[in-house]
This record gives sequence, C-alpha cells and structure tokens, in this order.
Amino acid sequence: EDKVVQSPLSLVVHEGDTVTLNCSYEVTNFRSLLWYKQEKKAPTFLFMLTSSGIEKKSGRLSSILDKKELFSILNITATQTGDSAIYLCAVSLRSGGSNYKLTFGKGTLLTVNP
Amino acid sequence: GAVVSQHPSRVICKSGTSVKIECRSLDFQATTMFWYRQFPKQSLMLMATSNEGSKATYEQGVEKDKFLINHASLTLSTLTVTSAHPEDSSFYICSARALAGVNGGELFFGEGSRLTVL
Repeated sequence: EDKVVQSPLSLVVHEGDTVTLNCSYEVTNFRSLLWYKQEKKAPTFLFMLTSSGIEKKSGRLSSILDKKELFSILNITATQTGDSAIYLCAVSLRSGGSNYKLTFGKGTLLTVNP
Repeated sequence: GAVVSQHPSRVICKSGTSVKIECRSLDFQATTMFWYRQFPKQSLMLMATSNEGSKATYEQGVEKDKFLINHASLTLSTLTVTSAHPEDSSFYICSARALAGVNGGELFFGEGSRLTVL
C-alpha cells in the first residue's frame, strides 16, 4: 500500500522562527513529490520535485527531495502569521497509461503566533 | 496561473436528495480530472480519476453508484452524490491536470464544495 507520512502533525512557532516540515514516502511507480499549502479552502501549489538534491526556492520557502532515502523537507524561514496553514505533501504516482494520481499525507498544521 | 472553478462552493440538502458538483477548467484543457474528499482535520482522499470521454476509475472503497462522475468535455467534470445521507457530508475538491507540457503537467485545484446533508 502506498504511504505518505508527514511530521510533525502540528507545530506552533513564533514569528521569525524557521521551521522544517518533513515528508517521507513509500510508494510504487514514483513520479514526483509535491508540496501544497491549504488555508481555508483548496490547496495551493508550492513546489514539485522530481530530482534528488536540487533545492527549489520561492521567497522564504524552499524544498528538497532525497529519492534514495525517500523523503522531502519543506523549509520556511522568518515565518510570518500568514504562513499559518496546513502544509500537504503529496506523491504523484503513475496510474495506468499516461495518467497519474496523487497520494496525500495527513498534513502538518503550522500555527505562527505573533 | 491556470484556474479551476468548482460550483457550488457550499450546498445544504435533505437526506435522500441528489447533489451535483461541477468542476471546470477555465483557461486550459484538462484530459484528466480528479475528485477528492476531505473530512475535518484530515487529508485529501482520492475518490476517483475522471478521463474525458470514458468511464471514471474509482478508488477502492468508493461506491461508483453513489458517486457518479461524468467528464463530458475537456473542461468540465461533474460529481453527483446520489441519495445523499448525513455521512456524505464532507468537503469535496476537484483537481484538473493540464495537458502534458503545459505548466509541467501539474494539478490545479478547485476551491472545493462543502456538502452538508441534513
């Protein structure tokens, strides 16, 4: 059975802190790993990682994938209250022909206090 | 960026009625759309994969006669919850995959539809 495990499940920090969110996976037919931020409604796309060791950055957020150890981390530096959200990790799997589907982890609930 | 519109965003219905949720890709063609269900404080659970012009592929444990999916065109997929019951109350989210080579083939999510069955 395909599994995506995120840790921690919840995290409370103060503004300005740096946080690291973890995602490990155990799946067949791995295609890519994606990070999403979910606030009140639908998830918004952050990063898609397909190759090991290549860091992707977007402002204060960065992420990297280790395909040998089967995990990824999402870093957020100088956190702000607007970073408070659920961060979802998903693994894209090949699912017949050219289709693929996402298997999500349970998410990490990040709360950034002023 | 690509936009996926989901409608309605919120619906309340009586037990036994059927509810239809629409998912539209507004500025791109989506050969594949996915339907997810999310319970409070839980992650997204894939329900089914919908391909334009063919039958949907349902995940294990999802009743295909209960959750009817139609993907009639490259920009529209619908999910119909038939004879809804209170346990069907949930947040339903669709996502659409752009054609290969467009935006890297990543998925774009709709805003979700919150269904409450009384």
